[in-house]
Amino acid sequence: AQSVTQPDIHITVSEGASLELRCNYSYGATPYLFWYVQSPGQGLQLLLKYFSGDTLVQGIKGFEAEFKRSQSSFNLRKPSVHWSDAAEYFCAVGAPGGGADGLTFGKGTHLIIQP
Amino acid sequence: EAGVAQSPRYKIIEKRQSVAFWCNPISGHATLYWYQQILGQGPKLLIQFQNNGVVDDSQLPKDRFSAERLKGVDSTLKIQPAKLEDSAVYLCASTITGLEGLQTYFGPGTRLTVL
Repeated sequence: AQSVTQPDIHITVSEGASLELRCNYSYGATPYLFWYVQSPGQGLQLLLKYFSGDTLVQGIKGFEAEFKRSQSSFNLRKPSVHWSDAAEYFCAVGAPGGGADGLTFGKGTHLIIQP
Repeated sequence: EAGVAQSPRYKIIEKRQSVAFWCNPISGHATLYWYQQILGQGPKLLIQFQNNGVVDDSQLPKDRFSAERLKGVDSTLKIQPAKLEDSAVYLCASTITGLEGLQTYFGPGTRLTVL
């Protein structure tokens, strides 16, 4: 069974500083990988996804993520955070190939932005 | 393009009562999912439909939860009877596979409070 670990429950970053959120997954083959953001009272918004090809993926709002097969990781990065980035971030894994392909989510990382 | 619609947005009930949630996916999306998101956790897949057939319901507590998608479009999720631990946000999502791979869209969710 697939699983996702987000080791950091909370992260505090100063506005303008760089950000890296960690995500490790467990899956037998190369999965589909996703990062979602959820602001208070808001729905889940897709930041970026990896299916295949280039291991560095660009997303919306200036975010990027790098798939590292050897480390089973898919860390999210942003060079300079804005106060509006404060939210809950979820990493998710999906099984490629159709069929039962519902996403398995991590527990999330709560991002706090200091002025 | 209209998004995934869910209703109601909020529901408060007492334990042992029944409740039902409704979801209307994006037009043309054959695959529909229900997720449960307990406060402080990532969403957990409850059930996946492909058209009107169940693909995966391995994590659905079938003694109290039921779901249907009779005509392959709208879906309802029912809890009978509700327990305190069912307090959560229930998310509906629909998926289409296109040129950019798997595209999953989440609805705004129904926040259930069981007293």
